[in-house]
Amino acid sequence: KAGVTQTPRYLIKTRGQQVTLSCSPISGHRSVSWYQQTPGQGLQFLFEYFSETQRNKGNFPGRFSGRQFSNSRSEMNVSTLELGDSALYLCASSLGLDEQFFGPGTRLTVL
Amino acid sequence: GENVEQHPSTLSVQEGDSAVIKCTYSDSASNYFPWYKQELGKRPQLIIDIRSNVGEKKDQRIAVTLNKTAKHFSLHITETQPEDSAVYFCAASNPAGNQFYFGTGTSLTVIP
Repeated sequence: KAGVTQTPRYLIKTRGQQVTLSCSPISGHRSVSWYQQTPGQGLQFLFEYFSETQRNKGNFPGRFSGRQFSNSRSEMNVSTLELGDSALYLCASSLGLDEQFFGPGTRLTVL
Repeated sequence: GENVEQHPSTLSVQEGDSAVIKCTYSDSASNYFPWYKQELGKRPQLIIDIRSNVGEKKDQRIAVTLNKTAKHFSLHITETQPEDSAVYFCAASNPAGNQFYFGTGTSLTVIP
């Protein structure tokens, strides 16, 4: 099976802009989670989608949003970018109850 | 919500020695505890996991122990090799399995 894919892999934006990141899960996986990874902070949970429904949300401001489509692909949107949003954004897919498989991540740099 | 703490943040060992990484969690309802290895520039990959109904699990040189009463779990790597050098993350999952809380990571360096 093909692994989790994320596009784009790298992104450079300026403050105030918005950005959309995409994640395609492993075929058959209906759960997609998003994480923000920064040095020293580990992986911080953003939200999780299952069958197009957001089941859980982490402690991030409303500028961070997401959605999931009927084919389980998911997008994450960040509006009004801030310098502190620079990070590696990882998505992970799973069957819903256990092992998560991570994508390669999107490296977002905000200037 | 759940809080996962991980120690140490950095660890250096000589090749062939053992390495131990410890994590504590706060929510007694958490029931699934995976460990991920992330090599430089790569994605995190699951190396071993344990459920709350099990006290210990081994896979070749890697083992994980869980103490539910004390709410802590540990990763043990024996006979370390240079290719074990990476950042290791512990995590705890809520019972629904739809939210994972990660520790802040341990950077392991195995010195040849």
